Amino acid sequence: AAGVIQSPRHLIKEKRETATLKCYPIPRHDTVYWYQQGPGQDPQFLISFYEKMQSDKGSIPDRFSAQQFSDYHSELNMSSLELGDSALYFCASSPGLAGGLWEQYFGPGTRLTVT
Amino acid sequence: QKEVEQDPGPLSVPEGAIVSLNCTYSNSAFQYFMWYRQYSRKGPELLMYTYSSGNKEDGRFTAQVDKSSKYISLFIRDSQPSDSATYLCAMSDRDDKIIFGKGTRLHILP
Repeated sequence: AAGVIQSPRHLIKEKRETATLKCYPIPRHDTVYWYQQGPGQDPQFLISFYEKMQSDKGSIPDRFSAQQFSDYHSELNMSSLELGDSALYFCASSPGLAGGLWEQYFGPGTRLTVT
Repeated sequence: QKEVEQDPGPLSVPEGAIVSLNCTYSNSAFQYFMWYRQYSRKGPELLMYTYSSGNKEDGRFTAQVDKSSKYISLFIRDSQPSDSATYLCAMSDRDDKIIFGKGTRLHILP
């Protein structure tokens, strides 16, 4: 079965640079979530989109922005990167109202390293 | 107090044993309860979910929810080395935002 696709899988950036992470949800899933997971930590919710509109916002820094496009893929844009932004970034998709917004399926993640 | 508490472990058990993983929570509004399995450097994988109280069984896995005690459990029967992973409990109140536990690292010893 098709899963959530994230790219790139690994990314190395320097401080103050920008990064763009991409997420392609499971086909027919209309809801996308972004999470940040530090070493030994649980995933922290950043932001979510339903039907291309932002649906909820968590602990996302102002330096980060995200959007969902007409084909339901999503991009997380991160600017003025800081060392503390180094983490695993997961995207999850959900069938939304068709299945249950809590039924989230995670992608393999993007490992961001800021040097 | 964090909304969801989970012992980080590590928990080491011999192959074939029954594993019991638990979480407690404080928000009585939680209605959806999930267990995720996460292998090292991989994304969390949805294992099981339950709505409200009760038990749910899927193969070797059984999820239990006791809302009166604000306590959920995941049991793994006939544990295998391939079950070695971090198990995260997760909960939701209004069926969108998920609150995760810290995760329990489980080691199944061959």
